[in-house]
Amino acid sequence: TQLLEQSPQFLSIQEGENLTVYCNSSSVFSSLQWYRQEPGEGPVLLVTVVTGGEVKKLKRLTFQFGDARKDSSLHITAAQPGDTGLYLCAGAARNNNDMRFGAGTRLTVKP
Amino acid sequence: DTAVSQTPKYLVTQMGNDKSIKCEQNLGHDTMYWYKQDSKKFLKIMFSYNNKELIINETVPNRFSPKSPDKAHLNLHINSLELGDSAVYFCASSDKWGGEQFFGPGTRLTVL
Repeated sequence: TQLLEQSPQFLSIQEGENLTVYCNSSSVFSSLQWYRQEPGEGPVLLVTVVTGGEVKKLKRLTFQFGDARKDSSLHITAAQPGDTGLYLCAGAARNNNDMRFGAGTRLTVKP
Repeated sequence: DTAVSQTPKYLVTQMGNDKSIKCEQNLGHDTMYWYKQDSKKFLKIMFSYNNKELIINETVPNRFSPKSPDKAHLNLHINSLELGDSAVYFCASSDKWGGEQFFGPGTRLTVL
């Protein structure tokens, strides 16, 4: 069983602070995706990383894929209340047709 | 136009009933998925279909059966509903297996 562990589970910060959330696994993934889900809605894709060591930036969000393709991080600079939501990582492993989501990090940014 | 749509959005039913949730995508994607999200917000894949062939069938009860009349539709049929089936069910699609997934708005199922 390939598990994706996300940490922290909950994070509450003030507007303007920086934060990093993590997605870790003991298994190698062919690709890893980050999604954000708001209450009452489905998850929305933020980014897909496929190459070990890859870094992608999306405005104030920076995503990194570990060199061994087993882990990833999401860093948010100068968080805003609009960043509030549930952040989910998902990994796809083609060799066994497996795809899993992490349990998510629930982020609250207070104004 | 909504990319991935699900109906109904809310479904309240009694234990033992049989119900279906419909999903349609207008993105021309080859792969569709069904997920169950429980009260703790853990999103668990149930099924995925690629070109009408089942790729993943997680260890879900056989009371749950996906039905795909065509590439744009993947419906979820549930027999003999149980209390533990209460959750939000999401449909999603991607252009290829493991690719970017577009999610529907979810169906909140409540079994009484």
